Amino acid sequence: QAGLTQPPSVSKGLRQTATLTCTGNGNNVGNEGAVWLQQHQGHPPKLLSYRNNNRPSGISERLSASRSGNTAALTISGLQPEDEGDYYCSAWDNSLRAWVFGGGTTLTVL
Amino acid sequence: QVQLVQSGAEVKKPGASVKVSCKASGYTFTSFDINWVRQATGQGLEWMGWMHPNSGSTGYAQKFQGRVSMTRDTSTSTAYMELSSLRSEDTAVYYCVRDYSGNSHYWGPGTLVTVSS
Repeated sequence: QAGLTQPPSVSKGLRQTATLTCTGNGNNVGNEGAVWLQQHQGHPPKLLSYRNNNRPSGISERLSASRSGNTAALTISGLQPEDEGDYYCSAWDNSLRAWVFGGGTTLTVL
Repeated sequence: QVQLVQSGAEVKKPGASVKVSCKASGYTFTSFDINWVRQATGQGLEWMGWMHPNSGSTGYAQKFQGRVSMTRDTSTSTAYMELSSLRSEDTAVYYCVRDYSGNSHYWGPGTLVTVSS
């Protein structure tokens, strides 16, 4: 069962901009921010952004993470076919003392 | 280069236990925590717990308390996750993840555990 809320699917056109959202509460997203992961079918997830909206080396500058209150967002500009996949957000929950996940968003690039 | 090599697929009967290993190489094993995350087929990700290889300290998701144990062998740079009292709902791919919250975040390839009578 997901602790964070993500829209199940988002569809955007090639070269457009997609914003994926992740809503939690003051114990998780609102307190610690979110980790964003991308997963392609049959592969382990890959880190896109970690705490305080940091982007790991090797991740495209077209991706940027942000947070406003209890909602985190991942914005992907200039969408490319390889951006298709499942995107998960995750945050440390201070109350549960656990990492909680969103249910994932499937991004389709039309 | 960093590698996390996980043990092979397992088939277990309900009620049995499974122990999945995650052998680290290419870095100092005791420097980063190891988390375990599972994913049932076609489903989302589920965090199970963490273990710090230096101290052996652990923290488990409430859902798995009493049924999971995360250990390590520093002499072989290997982390282990053992799940007991298996049921069909435990059928999933189990991943080990290094440094979940930081920039040294790295996933193992996953181990499929199938629970079936």
